[in-house]
Amino acid sequence: NAGVTQTPKFQVLKTGQSMTLQCAQDMNHEYMSWYRQDPGMGLRLIHYSVGAGITDQGEVPNGYNVSRSTTEDFPLRLLSAAPSQTSVYFCASSRGSQGSIGTEAFFGQGTRLTVV
Amino acid sequence: GQQLNQSPQSMFIQEGEDVSMNCTSSSIFNTWLWYKQDPGEGPVLLIALYKAGELTSNGRLTAQFGITRKDSFLNISASIPSDVGIYFCAGQKDSSYKLIFGSGTRLLVRP
Repeated sequence: NAGVTQTPKFQVLKTGQSMTLQCAQDMNHEYMSWYRQDPGMGLRLIHYSVGAGITDQGEVPNGYNVSRSTTEDFPLRLLSAAPSQTSVYFCASSRGSQGSIGTEAFFGQGTRLTVV
Repeated sequence: GQQLNQSPQSMFIQEGEDVSMNCTSSSIFNTWLWYKQDPGEGPVLLIALYKAGELTSNGRLTAQFGITRKDSFLNISASIPSDVGIYFCAGQKDSSYKLIFGSGTRLLVRP
C-alpha cells in the first residue's frame, strides 16, 4: 500500500545548488501536483500535471521546474536553491475529475528542505 | 494569493468540548474537502462534499457544504487528545482540477 512516495524526507542545500525532489504514485492517478507548506500560509500550489506529458504552473512556480514523462512519476526540480525556498514540500495525486470522488487528493509524507 | 479564508487560526480547547471551524470564499466552489495533518505527516482526507447543502458525517466529525457554494464548516464533537493537529479546508472550482487550500486551523486539546 505505497500510495504517494516522496524522497528524500529531509534535505539541506547550499544557496545556488540544484536538486530534484522525487514523487511517485502507484494508484494510476492522472492528476499530480506539488505544494509547498510554510507556517501560517497553508498549502500553495507550485506546479501540477493532468497527465503524462502535460504540466502547468500553479500559484508559486518561480524557481521550480517539473516534467511528467510517465503517469507514475512527477519530479520537482529546484534550479538554483534560495533561502526563500526553505519549506516543506508535498506531492499529491488524484484521479483527476471535477465534483466527484476523483477530486480527492492523496498526499505523500513530505520533504523538509532547508536552504542555507 | 489565498482565495480561501479559514478560521479560526488556532484553538486550544478542553477534552470533551465541541469544535467548529469554517472556510469562506468570494468564489463559488463545486467541491469542498477537509483534511487533517498530524505533525511530520502529509494531510489526510477526512470528509468530501460535492453538493450545495450537503451534510456529511465521519464518526465525530460533521461537515457541511454551504448553500451559496462559497463556504463550508467542520464540526468535531466531544474532542479527544488525538484530535490534535492542523485542519485544512480545500476547494475545487468549476472547470478546474486544482485544489485551493485554506491556511489551516491548528487544534490543541487539553486533557
